[in-house]
Amino acid sequence: KAGVTQTPRYLIKTRGQQVTLSCSPISGHRSVSWYQQTPGQGLQFLFEYFSETQRNKGNFPGRFSGRQFSNSRSEMNVSTLELGDSALYLCASSFASQETQYFGPGTRLLVL
Amino acid sequence: GNSVTQMEGPVTLSEEAFLTINCTYTATGYPSLFWYVQYPGEGLQLLLKATKADDKGSNKGFEATYRKETTSFHLEKGSVQVSDSAVYFCALFVPENYGQNFVFGPGTRLSVLP
Repeated sequence: KAGVTQTPRYLIKTRGQQVTLSCSPISGHRSVSWYQQTPGQGLQFLFEYFSETQRNKGNFPGRFSGRQFSNSRSEMNVSTLELGDSALYLCASSFASQETQYFGPGTRLLVL
Repeated sequence: GNSVTQMEGPVTLSEEAFLTINCTYTATGYPSLFWYVQYPGEGLQLLLKATKADDKGSNKGFEATYRKETTSFHLEKGSVQVSDSAVYFCALFVPENYGQNFVFGPGTRLSVLP
């Protein structure tokens, strides 16, 4: 069974731009969660989607948004990028009734 | 609220040394506990888990026992290898009415020297 895939793997943007990251969960998994990982803050939860609905949200500004499609694929969008948004963005999927999360390799975003 | 505390390291050991990475937690309800490992340039991989008190999770020579009385889930390995060099994250999961509630510790960087 294929694992969680994330595209692109690397991204360079400038301040003020926006970016969209994509995540394809493991086949059959309906829950997708997004995390931001930085050296200073560690792993921070962004949001979780299940059956196209946002079920849980972390403490991030409204510039961070996401959505999930009917095939469970998810996208995360960050608008008006700031230097501090430079991070590794990780996506994790899980089957609804199981709590174990399986992570993708991440998208490394650099904001200049 | 729910939280995870773990030794931040870095931890530096010689090959074949014994490893312990401490993890303690605070949680409402009855959490499941996890250890994830992150190798350089990669995402997190599930290493082991335990879903109830006194359960022992094990994988690749690593072990951790769910201790409810001490709210701990310490990771151990009897003989580390250079290939074990990575960052290790302790995490807990407490199901909410809606959605998930996964909380990660800050991670412990392990370096194993030949």
